[in-house]
Amino acid sequence: GAVVSQHPSWVICKSGTSVKIECRSLDFQATTMFWYRQFPKQSLMLMATSNEGSKATYEQGVEKDKFLINHASLTLSTLTVTSAHPEDSSFYICSARSPGGRETQYFGPGTRLLVL
Amino acid sequence: GQNIDQPTEMTATEGAIVQINCTYQTSGFNGLFWYQQHAGEAPTFLSYNVLDGLEEKGRFSSFLSRSKGYSYLLLKELQMKDSASYLCAVTDSNYQLIWGAGTKLIIKP
Repeated sequence: GAVVSQHPSWVICKSGTSVKIECRSLDFQATTMFWYRQFPKQSLMLMATSNEGSKATYEQGVEKDKFLINHASLTLSTLTVTSAHPEDSSFYICSARSPGGRETQYFGPGTRLLVL
Repeated sequence: GQNIDQPTEMTATEGAIVQINCTYQTSGFNGLFWYQQHAGEAPTFLSYNVLDGLEEKGRFSSFLSRSKGYSYLLLKELQMKDSASYLCAVTDSNYQLIWGAGTKLIIKP
């Protein structure tokens, strides 16, 4: 299957700092990427849909100014958590939709964010 | 509203067979996915069904009935490493992926 990488895999930061997470599709071009958040023992929660060359579409309840998404190329999307607080500590996972009829999403390995 | 239902948790024995059901009510249908997610890891793609019937892939099979809004994932010859959450997801008419809450599968020796 398609390969999606995510970096970093672990982040520990102080409250008030900003954290950038990168998501890359390694062997295909992804016009659409997705950002999810998952709290322990809970379901995946879609945060936003990122389309190359245009603004991201955020789900209801997700603050656009806090979670900045940039999809500058067909293989890279970034999520920046601005002024992070302890309640932002979570598992952030990106996925990229492969081209073609199946619309299959392939997931990156995820990034664990711990805000102290 | 859009809704996907699957059992919260199931338990099965190593070497046995288990069937995880998923029912859905969505605005349109463009395919159903099953993903596996081990604790602390991201989901991995297992299967995709868009037409009625059974898709077999090794020890895993996935079935779809569009008229009933129903799918199941069948796992044969269970191994301890199959202990994970299994997520059912449906693509609606807008090609948005609607996720079920997942079924936690516990395998006992």
